[in-house]
Amino acid sequence: DTAVSQTPKYLVTQMGNDKSIKCEQNLGHDTMYWYKQDSKKFLKIMFSYNNKELIINETVPNRFSPKSPDKAHLNLHINSLELGDSAVYFCASSGSFFVVSSGANVLTFGAGSRLTVL
Amino acid sequence: AQSVTQLDSQVPVFEEAPVELRCNYSSSVSVYLFWYVQYPNQGLQLLLKYLSGSTLVKGINGFEAEFNKSQTSFHLRKPSVHISDTAEYFCAVKREYGNKLVFGAGTILRVKS
Repeated sequence: DTAVSQTPKYLVTQMGNDKSIKCEQNLGHDTMYWYKQDSKKFLKIMFSYNNKELIINETVPNRFSPKSPDKAHLNLHINSLELGDSAVYFCASSGSFFVVSSGANVLTFGAGSRLTVL
Repeated sequence: AQSVTQLDSQVPVFEEAPVELRCNYSSSVSVYLFWYVQYPNQGLQLLLKYLSGSTLVKGINGFEAEFNKSQTSFHLRKPSVHISDTAEYFCAVKREYGNKLVFGAGTILRVKS
């Protein structure tokens, strides 16, 4: 029944490794997002996809590569992990970016994936 | 670009007391405003939103917020808090014709018995 689900919930890995976080939503939304919450709890958008198409790409290192195989899934792959990548990564979804309506503007968040790089 | 300032990083309050968490935003265009709550080790949950219409919006768990365009504020209030309201609260803003939700730095509400 979970609306936006992320796996894994916790991820501990060594510097230099490559890891992926998966996200799935069953809300029928067209737009999905990745947000990063750093150690000071500050939330910042990283990427947004609308119906599998990249529409927001903030200043994020090339080591981060999102992939959206279909509009219900948005995965995040991170290469060559660094200590500074340690954070909680939140996936979210909303109605279509191109539709301005009350439903389109509310983001529903997943529970987060806590990544610790040692 | 829009931005959000949450004026208090922490707000301690006794149980059953009223509370106000302050939020100011800046934007050159019309915006939508939101408050999200994050309980310890959990994700973000929408408390309430202002999209249009009445400037006083009511949300879940007895919270309400008032949109004040002239003061560019969207303060969150609750007349009587419970221990279970202890959490971090995030104010967020989005341009009317955009989908980038910009968050403030968060305010930790600590309710004491």
